Amino acid sequence: EAGVVQSPRYKIIEKKQPVAFWCNPISGHNTLYWYRQNLGQGPELLIRYENEEAVDDSQLPKDRFSAERLKGVDSTLKIQPAELGDSAVYLCASSLWGRNSPLHFGNGTRLTVT
Amino acid sequence: DQQVKQNSPSLSVQEGRISILNCDYTNSMFDYFLWYKKYPAEGPTFLISISSIKDKNEDGRFTVFLNKSAKHLSLHIVPSQPGDSAVYFCAASPSTSGTYKYIFGTGTRLKVLA
Repeated sequence: EAGVVQSPRYKIIEKKQPVAFWCNPISGHNTLYWYRQNLGQGPELLIRYENEEAVDDSQLPKDRFSAERLKGVDSTLKIQPAELGDSAVYLCASSLWGRNSPLHFGNGTRLTVT
Repeated sequence: DQQVKQNSPSLSVQEGRISILNCDYTNSMFDYFLWYKKYPAEGPTFLISISSIKDKNEDGRFTVFLNKSAKHLSLHIVPSQPGDSAVYFCAASPSTSGTYKYIFGTGTRLKVLA
């Protein structure tokens, strides 16, 4: 099966500019996650979707971050405006709904804000 | 407050020997645990999981042990191979009514020496 696809792989922008990341989950996976991973740290959850509903966005900085998952498949994560501290790897993951369903990650987008 | 801790940032092991990676957690509500392996410039890859109803789960060269009273789990790799060199993350999740919210540790970098 095809894995989780993310684009772009790398993005360099100046601070205060907008940026968007795209994710295509594994076919049939109802649940989609966006994680952020800072250097030397583990992934931290930003938002979790079940189908098209955001069921956990408590960690999403809503003043500058937004996300959507139209039709319960692809998802985009947007930052506007970007800040220096947003430099990180943004990981998308998907899983089947239910217990004992491990996450399957994409290769991530490495964002550098200058 | 780090709920999932990997206190060893790095570990070096000789090829053919056992690698033991440790993980501690603080939340007694965690009942599902996973290990991921991450190569540079790639997303984390699922390795093995364990539910709190078990104390051991085995998959080929990988075995995960869970000690609920100590809130500790470990990943054993036997025998270690150079291709196992990567960063290993443990993740834990509290049971909810639906899908899981996974919390990751900070990772342990394993280097297997040929």
